[in-house]
Amino acid sequence: SYVLTQPPSVSVAPGQTARITCGGNNIGSKGVHWYQQKTGQAPVLVLYDDSDRPSGIPERISGSNSGNTATLTISRVEAGDEADYYCQIWDPSSDWVFGGGTKLTVL
Amino acid sequence: EVQLVQSGAAVKKAGESLKISCKGSGFNINYWIGWVRQIPGKGLEWMGIIYPGDSDTRYSPSFQGRVTISVDKSIGTAYLQWDSLKASDTAMYYCARRTMTTPYYFDYWGQGTLVTVSS
Repeated sequence: SYVLTQPPSVSVAPGQTARITCGGNNIGSKGVHWYQQKTGQAPVLVLYDDSDRPSGIPERISGSNSGNTATLTISRVEAGDEADYYCQIWDPSSDWVFGGGTKLTVL
Repeated sequence: EVQLVQSGAAVKKAGESLKISCKGSGFNINYWIGWVRQIPGKGLEWMGIIYPGDSDTRYSPSFQGRVTISVDKSIGTAYLQWDSLKASDTAMYYCARRTMTTPYYFDYWGQGTLVTVSS
């Protein structure tokens, strides 16, 4: 079955740029979606189809996907960005797959 | 406004049965509804998904035979059911709406239902 690999944690100072990766075999050929989950809350979609933002998601959040790595980038990080982030793909052979999640800590 | 409202927290004993619900509003029944498990301190796991229109259901191999997903389309409510709970079923369970067309992702989520099973 298909596996998505994320780093367990990423730390960044306020105002800096955070990059969270999601690795998978030829993931660049798939649509990757990202969810943000703050402590005690349900997940919220922050990016879909690699780099599109749902309404209400700030432009500071962006994404890319190529080769074997998809990346969620958060520019000008704020304290409110501290959360767990999960990547997700769907394909006919693997169905729904989530990455293991990355805890973003704002120093 | 799209909303998914889940039933409240449940505390059960091992061996008991349980059925939790997820009521959708603000959208029509032509959206698949999925269930996702989150064990405390762990990540998201897809359990299964159902189409309210005809009750077509798909399960993750990890959950096939362990849970039953159903729907009552007349009241716009999806269900997740266990016949015999185990302590290892202790987790938060989320329902979520799948997009209508590809690429498939979950665009709206319920608030979650915490299930606690004691042995």
